[in-house]
Amino acid sequence: DTGVSQDPRHKITKRGQNVTFRCDPISEHNRLYWYRQTLGQGPEFLTYFQNEAQLEKSRLLSDRFSAERPKGSFSTLEIQRTEQGDSAMYLCASSFPRSGGYNEQFFGPGTRLTVL
Amino acid sequence: AQSVTQPDIHITVSEGASLELRCNYSYGATPYLFWYVQSPGQGLQLLLKYFSGDTLVQGIKGFEAEFKRSQSSFNLRKPSVHWSDAAEYFCAVGAGTGTYKYIFGTGTRLKVLA
Repeated sequence: DTGVSQDPRHKITKRGQNVTFRCDPISEHNRLYWYRQTLGQGPEFLTYFQNEAQLEKSRLLSDRFSAERPKGSFSTLEIQRTEQGDSAMYLCASSFPRSGGYNEQFFGPGTRLTVL
Repeated sequence: AQSVTQPDIHITVSEGASLELRCNYSYGATPYLFWYVQSPGQGLQLLLKYFSGDTLVQGIKGFEAEFKRSQSSFNLRKPSVHWSDAAEYFCAVGAGTGTYKYIFGTGTRLKVLA
């Protein structure tokens, strides 16, 4: 068990370009989350997968954002036509379901996106 | 709507001094509460969690937190701070059933003076 991994760790792109991030959760975790963290703020929920099903998307996730988890394992987050306001740390987390619902989420190191 | 407030943006303490970081939540039912720590360039690491039962929760690295329902608080404490505790600390509440997502506070940045 190597924990949650994210790739790349850093991405610098020009406004208008598309970017894709990858998250590999802990292998037996079927819940996967994406959060966005801007400077001076706590992480904000973007979207949630249970296995391969995307069950919730935040209003923060505009039409330019899309996330997938095709086989219930790794997940990708794509941002199309990036804007400077997309600059942030994108965090992925995974968890294993617990009777009664909540369990701790394990976070990856994040992908820091800078849009020039 | 659920929310979490961390009133202190920055806190500075001397090494060896005691520490208390404040967290207030807004949630209609019994909350699931968490404290995470984030060091520069690192992801979030869970310090401790409260689901039910004993309201004083012990965590890693010598941290503890106390759940006070009457005050809607879940403050983090440590009796003696080490220089390596300098980091950003986030309180989070589990935001309802279904997705089991978290709502985070804005964080408290801790600086430790030698």
